[in-house]
Order: sequence, then structure tokens, then C-alpha cells
Amino acid sequence: SQTIHQWPATLVQPVGSPLSLECTVEGTSNPNLYWYRQAAGRGLQLLFYSVGIGQISSEVPQNLSASRPQDRQFILSSKKLLLSDSGFYLCAWSLAGRAGTEAFFGQGTRLTVV
Amino acid sequence: AQSVTQLGSHVSVSEGALVLLRCNYSSSVPPYLFWYVQYPNQGLQLLLKYTTGATLVKGINGFEAEFKKSETSFHLTKPSAHMSDAAEYFCAVSVNTDKLIFGTGTRLQVFP
Repeated sequence: SQTIHQWPATLVQPVGSPLSLECTVEGTSNPNLYWYRQAAGRGLQLLFYSVGIGQISSEVPQNLSASRPQDRQFILSSKKLLLSDSGFYLCAWSLAGRAGTEAFFGQGTRLTVV
Repeated sequence: AQSVTQLGSHVSVSEGALVLLRCNYSSSVPPYLFWYVQYPNQGLQLLLKYTTGATLVKGINGFEAEFKKSETSFHLTKPSAHMSDAAEYFCAVSVNTDKLIFGTGTRLQVFP
């Protein structure tokens, strides 16, 4: 069966420090991968999605970047964190090329920038 | 581009009462629609989804939703609320093989 791992679960970082959040998927090949951010009262915002290695689409201009160095690995990064980067970050995957397929979510990372 | 609107950021019901969470979508092509539930500090879990066929979709935990094309709606219902239903609920839409776009969520409170 497929599983998704996301770490760390919580993170407190000072303003201006770098960020690296990692997500890996097991049990499937060539998944679509997603990074979402959930801020209080703002729902779930799609940040990045990827349909293959090295293929990243950015949904909103911001202080963050994403990379997919391996088929089932998705990394969210920042060179210098801002206070506004605080939030709950969720990684997700879905089956590629399948219309109407749902996304499966990791347990999330609570990021607090201080 | 597709989008969803969830009416009411907070809904409160008594235990045993009907739960109704509203979702309207916007899409120029036939959409795929989803409802997810999120418990505190956890990821999202799929409740149900509509792809094609029967417009009344049954999901887990006694929830169901009806796709109404004429109203562009996909409201989530449960006949009798339970305390364990207290959570945040998200409606989402996708078209073709594209990404899921989520609404802003509705927090459900259940009072004894």
C-alpha cells in the first residue's frame, strides 16, 4: 500500500533562517506531488505541484521554492524565512494521469517563524 | 479556472441534529468534486468524491453529498451529528487530470 511521510512535524525557526521540509511517498511510481499551506482562516492554498522529476509548477509568487530530486521525493525550501511564512504545510500525492483521482495527504508540518 | 466556495466558515449543531455544509463550485467543464475532513494538527482525509454517474455519493462516517449541476453545488450532509464529527471540512474541485483546488474550509462544532 502507499504511504506518505512528511517531516518534521513541528518546527520553530527565526526570521531570516533557511527552511527545508521533506516529503517522500512509498508504494507508487511517478506520482503527482503537491505542497499546500494552511494559514489560519485562509483554507488550503496550493503552493507547488509536480508531475515528474524536475518539473515544478508554482501557483503563487512567494518566498518559497520546491524541488523534486527523485521520483518520490518533494522538498520545500526557503533561503530566508519571513514571519508570514508561518503556517501548517501539507504534502500530498495523487495518481498521475487519472482523471478524478483524489489526493492523499501527509500529517503536516507546523512551522512557526519567530 | 475552477474554484469552490464554502458558505459559512463555522457551523454549530447539536448532537443528533442534521449536519449541512455547503459547497458551490465554478468550472467551465465537468468537474470532479471532493470532500475532505481534517482533525486538529493532522492531514486531510477523504470523506467522499464525485466523478461520474450517480449524483448522490455516500462516504465514510455516515456522510453523503449530492452533485447538483443546475445549482453548481455539492453540499455535504449527515442525518445525525456525533461529537466525533467536530472537525474542519474542505470541499475541493478538479478537472481532467489537474490539481485539486480547495475551498477555505468550514469548522464544524457539535454541542452535547
